[in-house]
Amino acid sequence: QQQVKQSPQSLIVQKGGISIINCAYENTAFDYFPWYQQFPGKGPALLIAIRPDVSEKKEGRFTISFNKSAKQFSLHIMDSQPGDSATYFCAASYPGGGNKLTFGTGTQLKVEL
Amino acid sequence: NAGVMQNPRHLVRRRGQEARLRCSPMKGHSHVYWYRQLPEEGLKFMVYLQKENIIDESGMPKERFSAEFPKEGPSILRIQQVVRGDSAAYFCASSPRQGIGGELFFGEGSRLTVL
Repeated sequence: QQQVKQSPQSLIVQKGGISIINCAYENTAFDYFPWYQQFPGKGPALLIAIRPDVSEKKEGRFTISFNKSAKQFSLHIMDSQPGDSATYFCAASYPGGGNKLTFGTGTQLKVEL
Repeated sequence: NAGVMQNPRHLVRRRGQEARLRCSPMKGHSHVYWYRQLPEEGLKFMVYLQKENIIDESGMPKERFSAEFPKEGPSILRIQQVVRGDSAAYFCASSPRQGIGGELFFGEGSRLTVL
């Protein structure tokens, strides 16, 4: 049973545009929602994370929007750059489960010049 | 401060052989996690270990797979009698403490190909 659904599978954005990736979860027990960025041949790296007590978190050009009632959260990349081209994974974990993460299936982002 | 070190980075095995993947956590980290990434899929949790203890192995296949994290040395993920379906990238991650999230650091992975 897939517990975190991610869309789209792939995304092409023009340089300077906004990239938006969406995730939906099923289990209301999840209490930690990170996003990871992965470049080809590399391991995932934590990009930004949010807990359900806030509806939005911003770090530089990256923003997480969180809708607890809809059980959805999304990543917005403002002013997208070619260097942002990577695969992005959303994830979720349970209280006390900390680093035992349930990942989405990933979104391949390509930012074109 | 070196990151999470995994080796080998690439491993080719024939069906029926054994694969051993090693992971040295970041300095000061005593919690190790193994995740598996199948082609075109997200990462799937396999096992969580602390020194000399398996804490959670709920994601490990029941047969052929085992993991350890000895008092001295790296954590090892062992796959016996490999099959083609074991071909994947295996990522190790470490953290300095349990449970609060946000402090999980991944290695660059070991890519296993089974011929």
